[in-house]
Amino acid sequence: DAGVIQSPRHEVTEMGQEVTLRCKPISGHNSLFWYRQTMMRGLELLIYFNNNVPIDDSGMPEDRFSAKMPNASFSTLKIQPSEPRDSAVYFCASRGQAQETQYFGPGTRLLVL
Amino acid sequence: DAKTTQPNSMESNEEEPVHLPCNHSTISGTDYIHWYRQLPSQGPEYVIHGLTSNVNNRMASLAIAEDRKSSTLILHRATLRDAAVYYCILRRGGTSYGKLTFGQGTILTVHP
Repeated sequence: DAGVIQSPRHEVTEMGQEVTLRCKPISGHNSLFWYRQTMMRGLELLIYFNNNVPIDDSGMPEDRFSAKMPNASFSTLKIQPSEPRDSAVYFCASRGQAQETQYFGPGTRLLVL
Repeated sequence: DAKTTQPNSMESNEEEPVHLPCNHSTISGTDYIHWYRQLPSQGPEYVIHGLTSNVNNRMASLAIAEDRKSSTLILHRATLRDAAVYYCILRRGGTSYGKLTFGQGTILTVHP
């Protein structure tokens, strides 16, 4: 099992550019979570999906952020336009039905200049 | 969600046991107690979870107080690879979505 796969692993962009982060959950898992981690705010849940449907997006900071899950094996987190304060590590995690454990990906380290 | 309180940091020597405490005085009857850890430059990693009874797995043991208002993660023999941030998290039962709310955690330093 390859685990949760995230791409890219590192992203450097300029303020105002669109950024798209990608996540492939573990096969068979039906819940997917996007987190953001910064030194100031720690690890924050942005949004989570169950069976490809967004359940709670209350953690999404503002309208510049959007997330989609078009099918069970793929999700994207998009920031448009990006700002320097969006610089953080973004983690994706997945969980199987009736399981307690969340499995995290390696993260995408985003730097917005 | 009920909150947890953990010490900011703890230190241990290699091959000694480590007891990481967590207070959760407002825990509800359906809250599961989860522990995750995050090694440097990696994503969080599941360690153990429990509801009422003590739990053991290959990584650690979880001791839960009888009133469930506190718990302790026990690493039986710390190694240098156990140096990480350890998060104690309550997950509300009764839903199938598994939402976790991370606090600041405890930074564990292991000395050779």
